[in-house]
Amino acid sequence: DGGITQSPKYLFRKEGQNVTLSCEQNLNHDAMYWYRQDPGQGLRLIYYSQIVNDFQKGDIAEGYSVSREKKESFPLTVTSAQKNPTAFYLCASSIDSGGANEQFFGPGTRLTVL
Amino acid sequence: RKEVEQDPGPFNVPEGATVAFNCTYSNSASQSFFWYRQDCRKEPKLLMSVYSSGNEDGRFTAQLNRASQYISLLIRDSKLSDSATYLCALGRGRRALTFGSGTRLQVQP
Repeated sequence: DGGITQSPKYLFRKEGQNVTLSCEQNLNHDAMYWYRQDPGQGLRLIYYSQIVNDFQKGDIAEGYSVSREKKESFPLTVTSAQKNPTAFYLCASSIDSGGANEQFFGPGTRLTVL
Repeated sequence: RKEVEQDPGPFNVPEGATVAFNCTYSNSASQSFFWYRQDCRKEPKLLMSVYSSGNEDGRFTAQLNRASQYISLLIRDSKLSDSATYLCALGRGRRALTFGSGTRLQVQP
């Protein structure tokens, strides 16, 4: 089955720890994205990547880092510098980064900082 | 002013009713428009793209009004299963989509 997978589904982290959220797609999409969603709010863009070995900051990149070493994979690291990391994290992909293309989402990871 | 604005609702409607949502945008350079559906604690799923001439998919109709800078979603004959949050999304150039905060719909028996 083609699609986007994210793991883990739920993640608990102690304050001061870095954690890495996985995102994999087998859709052969060039572009991948990370969004954060807080309760009752819309999606805010953290980072996006238009092609392998390249990525750009979104609107709320502070405290996060990414890598894009393979087309299929776009992991997100939530660092200890992120002040309020508890949120629902969504990974998405699109055929390419052209604005006309739909984005498709993975099932998300719920991160809770204890 | 936010780039994309939606009435958060909730819109409470009886089964069988027709309901419409609007989504206004501030940047006239927006080129592509979409409606997504998001169920509680799930990921958004693409409902439909919005074309300049308007488009229909079963009970759902989407329209674009470039002059007034808004898109709309009309749902006819509402079902209980239509209860969800509806997000609009806009694309511009090579940027990632920009999402609205969503409108919550609750269809009641």
